[in-house]
Amino acid sequence: ETGVTQSPTHLIKTRGQQVTLRCSSQSGHNTVSWYQQALGQGPQFIFQYYREEENGRGNFPPRFSGLQFPNYSSELNVNALELDDSALYLCASSFGTDSPYEQYFGPGTRLTVT
Amino acid sequence: GENVEQHPSTLSVQEGDSAVIKCTYSDSASNYFPWYKQELGKRPQLIIDIRSNVGEKKDQRIAVTLNKTAKHFSLHITETQPEDSAVYFCAAFFYNFNKFYFGSGTKLNVKP
Repeated sequence: ETGVTQSPTHLIKTRGQQVTLRCSSQSGHNTVSWYQQALGQGPQFIFQYYREEENGRGNFPPRFSGLQFPNYSSELNVNALELDDSALYLCASSFGTDSPYEQYFGPGTRLTVT
Repeated sequence: GENVEQHPSTLSVQEGDSAVIKCTYSDSASNYFPWYKQELGKRPQLIIDIRSNVGEKKDQRIAVTLNKTAKHFSLHITETQPEDSAVYFCAAFFYNFNKFYFGSGTKLNVKP
């Protein structure tokens, strides 16, 4: 059984640019959630994808968007980057959404916006 | 608004002592409460969880208790070891909003 993986590990972007982060879910999992973790804070829910559809969204603006592919991997896209977008972006995979589910996190992508 | 509060923000204990971290949540329909351990520069790792139909769950030195009436849950670590030093996050699945909310974290330092 393979764990959750994310790429890239680190990324430096300039304000106003766009970025795409990638996540491969754990084998057997069909749901991916994305979180933003600012330094010294707990993860903040961005959105979740289940069977290629967005299935819940947190308090993030529309410039945060995502995709899920048939193999359940996922992308997080952020447009018009702002300095406050600098954070660790975590994805977590799980199986199903109908009942409370165990989530397993990837190692994260550290995004720095200058 | 919906949130999870976690206390204390930092906790320092002597090796062998017990550590307790407490969380409260606002959504009375919450039904799943995981705890994560995050070491510096690493991913959060699920260490224990509890569902709303259970009051207590134990796994070796780690236990979690849930009081649904008071809407709070706690993590108990006994016989602490230096390798328990990390940041611990509680989370609650807010059933009415279909998403997880995380606490702000507790930095646990176990002194040898």
